[in-house]
Amino acid sequence: DVKVTQSSRYLVKRTGEKVFLECVQDMDHENMFWYRQDPGLGLRLIYFSYDVKMKEKGDIPEGYSVSREKKERFSLILESASTNQTSMYLCASSTRLNNSPLHFGNGTRLTVT
Amino acid sequence: AQTVTQSQPEMSVQEAETVTLSCTYDTSESDYYLFWYKQPPSRQMILVIRQEAYKQQNATENRFSVNFQKAAKSFSLKISDSQLGDAAMYFCAYRRYTSGTYKYIFGTGTRLKVLA
Repeated sequence: DVKVTQSSRYLVKRTGEKVFLECVQDMDHENMFWYRQDPGLGLRLIYFSYDVKMKEKGDIPEGYSVSREKKERFSLILESASTNQTSMYLCASSTRLNNSPLHFGNGTRLTVT
Repeated sequence: AQTVTQSQPEMSVQEAETVTLSCTYDTSESDYYLFWYKQPPSRQMILVIRQEAYKQQNATENRFSVNFQKAAKSFSLKISDSQLGDAAMYFCAYRRYTSGTYKYIFGTGTRLKVLA
């Protein structure tokens, strides 16, 4: 079974802090994604990566950056956390195969105070 | 731009009954994949079922089946013999190919309550 592990289940940070959300997958997947989940808005794509050191902006990249130095790890960085970044963050991975679904981590609920 | 619409924020169903969750999408592409994901209170998103657009036969996975109407751009999920464990948020997703890989666009979700 594919395992996608997010380093924290709950996180509380202060406004202005630099925040790192880590995600690791164990199935050698090429593609990795960061989503933000908010009630009534569904899942919105922040960034994705289809290879090591490659990254593409999603639909809501403002205020975020990412890093993918190794194939199995994809980090989401909040350069200066703000209260409007309080949300649930979901990491996911997939292969390049045409019918590959997304495999999700358990999510990190981030609160910025 | 592709969009995915789930018009039912919340649905309820009696245990053992059947319920249908609706999903419509907008696209100009001819080949694509559609997915239904389930998110229980544990927050783990689980793939329920997938459908490839060029396949006319509706996908089925045990008690879960879809009604895929390509011309109408509709992709509804039918849950038969509903169980308490089916209570969750359900998300419809559309996958498109861009920038050398696949991107997934999600609807806003439908919360399903199962009544004992």
